[in-house]
Amino acid sequence: EAQVTQNPRYLITVTGKKLTVTCSQNMNHEYMSWYRQDPGLGLRQIYYSMNVEVTDKGDVPEGYKVSRKEKRNFPLILESPSPNQTSLYFCASSFSLAEDNEQFFGPGTRLTVL
Amino acid sequence: QKEVEQDPGPLSVPEGAIVSLNCTYSNSAFQYFMWYRQYSRKGPELLMYTYSSGNKEDGRFTAQVDKSSKYISLFIRDSQPSDSATYLCAMSPYNQGGKLIFGQGTELSVKP
Repeated sequence: EAQVTQNPRYLITVTGKKLTVTCSQNMNHEYMSWYRQDPGLGLRQIYYSMNVEVTDKGDVPEGYKVSRKEKRNFPLILESPSPNQTSLYFCASSFSLAEDNEQFFGPGTRLTVL
Repeated sequence: QKEVEQDPGPLSVPEGAIVSLNCTYSNSAFQYFMWYRQYSRKGPELLMYTYSSGNKEDGRFTAQVDKSSKYISLFIRDSQPSDSATYLCAMSPYNQGGKLIFGQGTELSVKP
């Protein structure tokens, strides 16, 4: 089944404890992206990657890191999480950014930082 | 001021009604316009994708882009209870491939 998977789905952690949220897609997609979703603010892009070893900042990259060493994986790293990073996180992928090229979203990771 | 503005609603309509959802934007570099639908506790899914100005129709859904007014719309005809979801507009500039800006999302409820 073609899909984007994220792990963990739910995470409660404490301020300053490094964490990684994994994202993996099995569709051989070139483009991958991370978003956070907050009430009243909608979806905001954190980082995106056009291909292996090619990443760029979205709208809200501060406090996050990403890497794209393999085509299928795009982990999101929080080196020192803070309470304002409590949010719902989505990973997404698509084959390209051409017209009608659907971006597939993962199921989301709900993160709480105490 | 946000680059993309969308009325969060909630919007409640009776089954069979025509629904109009809208977004305005300020960045004239936006060339790609999308509408996503998000059901509760799920990730968004792409509904419509339009490049530059014009209309696009897909079944009961019609997307319109008016670049001169910096205004995009999604129309849903003969709305169904299964259309109840949050609808998000999204846009991308032509010179920053990969960058996507979303609106806040409009929560729609279609009552039987």
